[in-house]
Amino acid sequence: AQSVTQLDSQVPVFEEAPVELRCNYSSSVSVYLFWYVQYPNQGLQLLLKYLSGSTLVKGINGFEAEFNKSQTSFHLRKPSVHISDTAEYFCAVSDLNNNDMRFGAGTRLTVKP
Amino acid sequence: GAGVSQSPSNKVTEKGKDVELRCDPISGHTALYWYRQRLGQGLEFLIYFQGNSAPDKSGLPSDRFSAERTGESVSTLTIQRTQQEDSAVYLCASSLSTAQETQYFGPGTRLLVL
Repeated sequence: AQSVTQLDSQVPVFEEAPVELRCNYSSSVSVYLFWYVQYPNQGLQLLLKYLSGSTLVKGINGFEAEFNKSQTSFHLRKPSVHISDTAEYFCAVSDLNNNDMRFGAGTRLTVKP
Repeated sequence: GAGVSQSPSNKVTEKGKDVELRCDPISGHTALYWYRQRLGQGLEFLIYFQGNSAPDKSGLPSDRFSAERTGESVSTLTIQRTQQEDSAVYLCASSLSTAQETQYFGPGTRLLVL
Protein backbone atom coordinates (compact mmCIF):
# COMPACT_ATOMS: atom_id res chain seq x y z
CA ALA A 1 0.00 0.00 0.00
CA GLN A 2 1.03 3.57 -0.51
CA SER A 3 2.36 5.72 2.33
CA VAL A 4 3.31 9.34 2.99
CA THR A 5 6.02 10.93 5.12
CA GLN A 6 5.92 14.58 6.09
CA LEU A 7 9.38 15.34 7.32
CA ASP A 8 8.59 18.38 9.46
CA SER A 9 5.96 18.27 12.18
CA GLN A 10 6.22 22.02 12.83
CA VAL A 11 7.45 24.88 10.67
CA PRO A 12 7.60 28.37 12.21
CA VAL A 13 8.26 31.25 9.80
CA PHE A 14 7.98 35.03 9.80
CA GLU A 15 5.38 36.82 7.73
CA GLU A 16 6.40 37.47 4.10
CA ALA A 17 9.11 34.81 4.25
CA PRO A 18 9.10 31.89 1.79
CA VAL A 19 8.15 28.45 3.02
CA GLU A 20 8.51 24.85 1.86
CA LEU A 21 6.65 21.97 3.48
CA ARG A 22 8.16 18.64 2.57
CA CYS A 23 6.33 15.49 1.56
CA ASN A 24 7.70 12.16 0.36
CA TYR A 25 5.60 9.21 -0.71
CA SER A 26 6.06 5.51 -1.27
CA SER A 27 4.14 3.51 -3.86
CA SER A 28 4.83 0.72 -6.30
CA VAL A 29 2.54 2.18 -8.95
CA SER A 30 1.62 5.56 -10.35
CA VAL A 31 0.02 7.91 -7.87
CA TYR A 32 -2.20 10.89 -7.40
CA LEU A 33 -0.95 13.44 -4.88
CA PHE A 34 -2.82 15.96 -2.78
CA TRP A 35 -2.28 18.70 -0.23
CA TYR A 36 -5.09 19.46 2.20
CA VAL A 37 -5.20 22.33 4.69
CA GLN A 38 -6.94 22.53 8.04
CA TYR A 39 -7.30 26.08 9.37
CA PRO A 40 -7.84 26.49 13.12
CA ASN A 41 -11.28 25.27 14.16
CA GLN A 42 -12.23 24.42 10.58
CA GLY A 43 -12.56 21.26 8.54
CA LEU A 44 -10.05 19.97 6.01
CA GLN A 45 -10.18 21.35 2.51
CA LEU A 46 -8.25 20.68 -0.67
CA LEU A 47 -5.34 23.01 -1.40
CA LEU A 48 -4.15 21.43 -4.66
CA LYS A 49 -3.68 18.10 -6.37
CA TYR A 50 -1.50 16.43 -8.98
CA LEU A 51 -3.14 13.94 -11.30
CA SER A 52 -1.04 14.04 -14.48
CA GLY A 53 0.58 16.46 -16.90
CA SER A 54 2.63 19.39 -15.71
CA THR A 55 4.61 18.54 -12.61
CA LEU A 56 4.13 22.04 -11.18
CA VAL A 57 0.68 22.41 -9.70
CA LYS A 58 -0.83 25.67 -8.53
CA GLY A 59 -3.45 25.79 -5.82
CA ILE A 60 -5.45 28.24 -3.80
CA ASN A 61 -4.00 31.10 -1.73
CA GLY A 62 -0.78 31.30 -3.75
CA PHE A 63 0.49 27.83 -2.89
CA GLU A 64 2.12 25.52 -5.42
CA ALA A 65 3.67 22.07 -5.34
CA GLU A 66 6.03 20.19 -7.59
CA PHE A 67 5.81 16.48 -8.31
CA ASN A 68 9.25 14.90 -8.54
CA LYS A 69 8.96 11.26 -9.56
CA SER A 70 12.65 10.43 -9.24
CA GLN A 71 12.73 11.73 -5.68
CA THR A 72 9.18 10.55 -4.89
CA SER A 73 8.42 13.97 -3.48
CA PHE A 74 5.61 16.49 -3.63
CA HIS A 75 6.83 19.51 -1.66
CA LEU A 76 4.51 22.46 -1.05
CA ARG A 77 5.82 26.00 -1.46
CA LYS A 78 4.73 29.59 -1.11
CA PRO A 79 7.06 32.52 -1.90
CA SER A 80 5.62 34.87 0.73
CA VAL A 81 3.39 33.70 3.59
CA HIS A 82 0.73 35.61 5.49
CA ILE A 83 -0.47 35.32 9.06
CA SER A 84 -3.64 33.76 7.68
CA ASP A 85 -1.65 30.81 6.30
CA THR A 86 -1.21 29.52 9.85
CA ALA A 87 -2.75 26.04 9.69
CA GLU A 88 -2.09 22.32 9.62
CA TYR A 89 -1.10 21.00 6.19
CA PHE A 90 -1.55 17.37 5.18
CA CYS A 91 0.00 15.61 2.22
CA ALA A 92 -1.94 12.64 0.84
CA VAL A 93 -1.46 9.97 -1.81
CA SER A 94 -3.74 7.55 -3.63
CA ASP A 95 -2.68 5.11 -6.29
CA LEU A 96 -4.20 3.85 -9.48
CA ASN A 97 -4.73 0.31 -8.17
CA ASN A 98 -7.15 1.24 -5.45
CA ASN A 99 -9.13 4.25 -4.40
CA ASP A 100 -8.17 4.59 -0.76
CA MET A 101 -6.05 7.51 0.30
CA ARG A 102 -3.25 7.75 2.84
CA PHE A 103 -2.44 10.95 4.69
CA GLY A 104 0.79 12.12 6.23
CA ALA A 105 1.02 13.07 9.88
CA GLY A 106 0.70 16.75 9.03
CA THR A 107 2.89 19.84 9.29
CA ARG A 108 1.83 22.69 11.52
CA LEU A 109 2.76 25.97 9.83
CA THR A 110 2.90 28.94 12.20
CA VAL A 111 3.39 32.35 10.64
CA LYS A 112 4.67 34.99 13.05
CA PRO A 113 4.39 38.77 12.59
CA GLY B 1 -27.44 19.00 1.90
CA ALA B 2 -24.52 20.68 0.21
CA GLY B 3 -21.74 19.01 2.15
CA VAL B 4 -20.82 16.04 4.29
CA SER B 5 -22.58 16.05 7.63
CA GLN B 6 -21.71 14.16 10.78
CA SER B 7 -23.55 13.58 14.02
CA PRO B 8 -23.27 14.05 16.85
CA SER B 9 -20.80 16.92 16.76
CA ASN B 10 -19.67 16.07 20.27
CA LYS B 11 -20.01 12.90 22.32
CA VAL B 12 -18.96 12.29 25.89
CA THR B 13 -19.19 8.72 27.11
CA GLU B 14 -18.01 6.55 29.94
CA LYS B 15 -15.33 3.94 29.50
CA GLY B 16 -16.85 0.62 28.50
CA LYS B 17 -19.91 2.05 26.76
CA ASP B 18 -20.63 1.63 23.05
CA VAL B 19 -20.94 4.64 20.74
CA GLU B 20 -22.28 5.14 17.22
CA LEU B 21 -21.11 7.92 14.94
CA ARG B 22 -23.02 8.84 11.82
CA CYS B 23 -21.91 10.24 8.47
CA ASP B 24 -24.11 11.53 5.65
CA PRO B 25 -22.00 11.87 2.49
CA ILE B 26 -22.61 14.19 -0.43
CA SER B 27 -25.30 12.79 -2.68
CA GLY B 28 -23.82 10.87 -5.61
CA HIS B 29 -20.48 10.22 -3.93
CA THR B 30 -19.79 6.50 -4.07
CA ALA B 31 -16.63 6.58 -1.97
CA LEU B 32 -16.74 7.16 1.78
CA TYR B 33 -13.84 7.28 4.23
CA TRP B 34 -13.49 7.33 8.01
CA TYR B 35 -10.43 8.80 9.69
CA ARG B 36 -9.37 9.37 13.28
CA GLN B 37 -7.47 12.46 14.37
CA ARG B 38 -6.05 12.40 17.87
CA LEU B 39 -5.18 15.69 19.54
CA GLY B 40 -2.15 17.23 17.87
CA GLN B 41 -1.71 14.33 15.49
CA GLY B 42 -2.35 13.58 11.84
CA LEU B 43 -5.13 11.72 10.12
CA GLU B 44 -5.29 8.00 10.74
CA PHE B 45 -7.13 6.03 8.05
CA LEU B 46 -9.75 3.70 9.49
CA ILE B 47 -11.99 2.31 6.76
CA TYR B 48 -13.02 2.96 3.15
CA PHE B 49 -16.23 2.11 1.30
CA GLN B 50 -16.54 2.15 -2.49
CA GLY B 51 -19.95 1.43 -3.95
CA ASN B 52 -21.00 -2.17 -3.37
CA SER B 53 -17.45 -3.50 -3.08
CA ALA B 54 -16.18 -5.04 0.13
CA PRO B 55 -14.87 -2.26 2.38
CA ASP B 56 -11.18 -1.78 3.05
CA LYS B 57 -10.99 -2.31 6.81
CA SER B 58 -7.22 -2.35 7.00
CA GLY B 59 -7.05 0.74 9.20
CA LEU B 60 -9.40 -0.33 11.97
CA PRO B 61 -7.27 -0.42 15.15
CA SER B 62 -9.08 -3.29 16.89
CA ASP B 63 -12.11 -5.53 16.66
CA ARG B 64 -13.96 -3.05 18.87
CA PHE B 65 -14.27 -0.85 15.80
CA SER B 66 -16.70 -1.58 12.99
CA ALA B 67 -18.49 0.38 10.30
CA GLU B 68 -21.39 -0.11 7.97
CA ARG B 69 -22.71 1.70 4.96
CA THR B 70 -26.12 1.34 3.42
CA GLY B 71 -25.70 1.37 -0.34
CA GLU B 72 -24.16 4.67 -1.32
CA SER B 73 -25.66 6.67 1.52
CA VAL B 74 -25.31 6.90 5.28
CA SER B 75 -22.44 5.27 7.15
CA THR B 76 -22.19 4.41 10.84
CA LEU B 77 -18.96 3.90 12.74
CA THR B 78 -19.42 1.88 15.92
CA ILE B 79 -16.94 1.66 18.76
CA GLN B 80 -17.71 -1.01 21.33
CA ARG B 81 -16.48 -1.00 24.94
CA THR B 82 -14.85 2.40 24.50
CA GLN B 83 -11.46 3.09 26.04
CA GLN B 84 -9.89 6.42 26.97
CA GLU B 85 -7.44 6.11 24.08
CA ASP B 86 -10.42 6.18 21.70
CA SER B 87 -10.85 9.89 22.52
CA ALA B 88 -10.31 11.76 19.27
CA VAL B 89 -12.05 13.58 16.45
CA TYR B 90 -13.57 11.13 13.98
CA LEU B 91 -13.73 12.53 10.46
CA CYS B 92 -15.78 11.31 7.56
CA ALA B 93 -15.10 12.21 3.93
CA SER B 94 -16.75 11.36 0.65
CA SER B 95 -15.71 11.59 -2.98
CA LEU B 96 -16.74 10.54 -6.44
CA SER B 97 -15.72 7.08 -7.45
CA THR B 98 -12.14 7.38 -8.59
CA ALA B 99 -8.84 7.85 -6.75
CA GLN B 100 -8.20 11.20 -8.40
CA GLU B 101 -11.25 12.85 -6.97
CA THR B 102 -11.15 15.39 -4.16
CA GLN B 103 -12.33 14.22 -0.77
CA TYR B 104 -14.85 16.43 0.97
CA PHE B 105 -14.67 16.31 4.72
CA GLY B 106 -17.36 16.60 7.32
CA PRO B 107 -16.90 18.71 10.45
CA GLY B 108 -16.09 15.65 12.54
CA THR B 109 -17.39 14.12 15.74
CA ARG B 110 -15.36 14.94 18.84
CA LEU B 111 -15.42 11.88 21.11
CA LEU B 112 -14.34 12.06 24.72
CA VAL B 113 -14.19 8.86 26.75
CA LEU B 114 -14.06 9.46 30.48
